[in-house]
Amino acid sequence: DQQVKQNSPSLSVQEGRISILNCDYTNSMFDYFLWYKKYPAEGPTFLISISSIKDKNEDGRFTVFLNKSAKHLSLHIVPSQPGDSAVYFCAAEGQGGSEKLVFGKGMKLTVNP
Amino acid sequence: KAGVTQTPRYLIKTRGQQVTLSCSPISGHRSVSWYQQTPGQGLQFLFEYFSETQRNKGNFPGRFSGRQFSNSRSEMNVSTLELGDSALYLCASSPGAANYGYTFGSGTRLTVV
Repeated sequence: DQQVKQNSPSLSVQEGRISILNCDYTNSMFDYFLWYKKYPAEGPTFLISISSIKDKNEDGRFTVFLNKSAKHLSLHIVPSQPGDSAVYFCAAEGQGGSEKLVFGKGMKLTVNP
Repeated sequence: KAGVTQTPRYLIKTRGQQVTLSCSPISGHRSVSWYQQTPGQGLQFLFEYFSETQRNKGNFPGRFSGRQFSNSRSEMNVSTLELGDSALYLCASSPGAANYGYTFGSGTRLTVV
């Protein structure tokens, strides 16, 4: 039973264009969502997060949108850069402060120069 | 400020053996979580320790165990290794309260032959 789904395993975009990474979840108890970026042979690095009380959070080139009614969130990267090429994981945390992050399977983003 | 340190970085073991992995969290962080990453499965939660107590546990067999010491350092043990245990094992530390984010180590790459 996969509670956090990243249905597209990969995405390829041109440098300078927008990258849109999608994530769906099934558990309505999730109230905090995070995106992590991972390079090979390294641990995931925190990118951006959003609380369920918001529908948008922006940090530089990265914006996360949350649609609670659709149980859907997306990460927008504008403009995309070759250094953004990595595997991106969507993660969710439940209510009550449970220190258990539930991750999606990840999506490989390739930004072509 | 030092990050999360995992040792060793790489490990090769034989089926049936046991292995112990170590994680030193960021100073002041009291929560340590362990994840297993395998190709195509994303990051799967193993367990989380907070103040030397296991607070959450994922759906892994009893061969996987862990503990946390008074200085918050954590160890993870896998007994009777199987080929399918080959994976990247990641440790993440956090202050222990909700929505404070998690910092990951670089992981231990375990290969079972």
